[in-house]
Amino acid sequence: EAAVTQSPRSKVAVTGGKVTLSCHQTNNHDYMYWYRQDTGHGLRLIHYSYVADSTEKGDIPDGYKASRPSQENFSLILELASLSQTAVYFCATQGLDTEVFFGKGTRLTVV
Amino acid sequence: SQWGEENLQALSIQEGEDVTMNCSYKTYTTVVQWYRQKSGKGPALIILIRSNEREKRSGRLRATLDTSSQSSSLSITGTLATDTAVYFCATVTYQGGRALIFGTGTTVSVSP
Repeated sequence: EAAVTQSPRSKVAVTGGKVTLSCHQTNNHDYMYWYRQDTGHGLRLIHYSYVADSTEKGDIPDGYKASRPSQENFSLILELASLSQTAVYFCATQGLDTEVFFGKGTRLTVV
Repeated sequence: SQWGEENLQALSIQEGEDVTMNCSYKTYTTVVQWYRQKSGKGPALIILIRSNEREKRSGRLRATLDTSSQSSSLSITGTLATDTAVYFCATVTYQGGRALIFGTGTTVSVSP
């Protein structure tokens, strides 16, 4: 069974603080993605990676950094959290075929 | 943005009815994927159609793809209350790597 584990599942952060969202996969997939979901919007791609130690910008990278220290782990970093970054964040993986497997999501509230 | 026309935002139907939702995309893709997201869960792939296919069926699901108009549709026949979800179409783009880009989604509410 493909597995994508996100932590934490929920977080409240203060404006201006640093937030790190973590994702761990046991799928042995090369591609990993971070998406953001807001009410009334679909999933918007923030950053992705197809190999360890390398990341690529997606459609909305501003305000976010990503880190892929190993094939299994992919982090999303908010150096200075802002109110507008309140959202649900999903990590996903994709192997050689095209199906994407999602984690259960992290609900981030910035206050 | 990858997407042209917005997906229809929300549909409310009765169990047993059929429903069709559409999406269009701007740039070339080799595959369109349809995902379903139930409340509180991550999206899950329900059907995938490739550029060399005009139609794909899977149980009560039917997807079509028209590469000339760059549009795709998803139909669900004989809906059940358990089909209540948000449905997204997604395409693969190549921008320094392979990225899966999602449309805004269609909310389908099926009443028993």
